[in-house]
Amino acid sequence: DGGITQSPKYLFRKEGQNVTLSCEQNLNHDAMYWYRQDPGQGLRLIYYSQIVNDFQKGDIAEGYSVSREKKESFPLTVTSAQKNPTAFYLCASSIANFYYGYTFGSGTRLTVV
Amino acid sequence: SQQGEEDPQALSIQEGENATMNCSYKTSINNLQWYRQNSGRGLVHLILIRSNEREKHSGRLRVTLDTSKKSSSLLITASRAADTASYFCATDEETSGSRLTFGEGTQLTVNP
Repeated sequence: DGGITQSPKYLFRKEGQNVTLSCEQNLNHDAMYWYRQDPGQGLRLIYYSQIVNDFQKGDIAEGYSVSREKKESFPLTVTSAQKNPTAFYLCASSIANFYYGYTFGSGTRLTVV
Repeated sequence: SQQGEEDPQALSIQEGENATMNCSYKTSINNLQWYRQNSGRGLVHLILIRSNEREKHSGRLRVTLDTSKKSSSLLITASRAADTASYFCATDEETSGSRLTFGEGTQLTVNP
């Protein structure tokens, strides 16, 4: 079945540690996105990528980094520079003009311990 | 930046009743989309309405768009307990560079 897979489902990070969240899709979608969701709030865009080897900052990119070496994969690294990383992270993908909407993964819940 | 603002923030109704959620936005858009999120899960795309459309239906869902007022509404008819979820509107702004901007959502509770 085609879909978008995020892993792990739960992730615990120690202070000062970098962690990487995985996002893989087999939908042949060109575009991929990372959003952050805090409790009871909407989604805020971190980074997005329209094509391989290219990506753009979203509204809250500070403290995060991404890569897009393959069409299927768009990993997100939460660096130690992100001072408040505890949140629910959602990855999404779409065809180029997203007239059919985004397809979302099931999310990764990151907690700082 | 949050483009869409949903109203109300929370809505509680009985099974069988209709649920109406509203979304307002600030800038010109290419299209507006509605998504559903069950607790702790990813979002699921429900329906898309283009800027030149005024109304669209999909099953028990009815979406309207008024570009002059920069607002949209989502109506769920004959609601079921399984409709309990958060509902988000998302806008594709004309100047956004191919990205969606999400509102903060409406939490709908349908009581059996």
